[in-house]
Amino acid sequence: KQEVTQIPAALSVPEGENLVLNCSFTDSAIYNLQWFRQDPGKGLTSLLLIQSSQREQTSGRLNASLDKSSGRSTLYIAASQPGDSATYLCAALRRGGGNKLTFGTGTQLKVEL
Amino acid sequence: KAGVTQTPRYLIKTRGQQVTLSCSPISGHRSVSWYQQTPGQGLQFLFEYFSETQRNKGNFPGRFSGRQFSNSRSEMNVSTLELGDSALYLCASSSGDQAEAFFGQGTRLTVV
Repeated sequence: KQEVTQIPAALSVPEGENLVLNCSFTDSAIYNLQWFRQDPGKGLTSLLLIQSSQREQTSGRLNASLDKSSGRSTLYIAASQPGDSATYLCAALRRGGGNKLTFGTGTQLKVEL
Repeated sequence: KAGVTQTPRYLIKTRGQQVTLSCSPISGHRSVSWYQQTPGQGLQFLFEYFSETQRNKGNFPGRFSGRQFSNSRSEMNVSTLELGDSALYLCASSSGDQAEAFFGQGTRLTVV
């Protein structure tokens, strides 16, 4: 059974800082891994998707990496801004598991002025 | 291109009642998945419908059911509501098998 963990649970940083969010998964038979952002009371916004055959994906100030062998993914946010404040979730899609995502516990990020 | 649309956005129901939530996926997407999000349990998978067939089911009681129509719109039904069913219900739309998921804004259900 896939289990996904995110560390830290909460993070507070000053504006402009570069930061790394961590995601660990127990079952390496993943097809892809997605990172999402969730604002309070809202739905999920897809940030990045990494296929199991890829090592990295980049979008603007965001960079996500994937290491299947160690069961880890990281989301790197460069030059953080107050608008980046949100909860970040990673989700693993198991190979052959249809479209069922297993979500991590989330990291609540606050970027302060 | 329209995103995933969930209706209604907010609902207040009484214990014992039933409720139906609706999800319209992105045009052309064949898969709709439903998730329950609570502060204590996080995001948990309810079920997935693909081309009108339930393909995956999470570990929820039979009070939770769903269906998908020929136009890919999906409904989720919860019968005999309990206080613990209070949650944000999210649906995700995917174009095909093992594809990127796009989420709606969710339906906030409060059971009193």
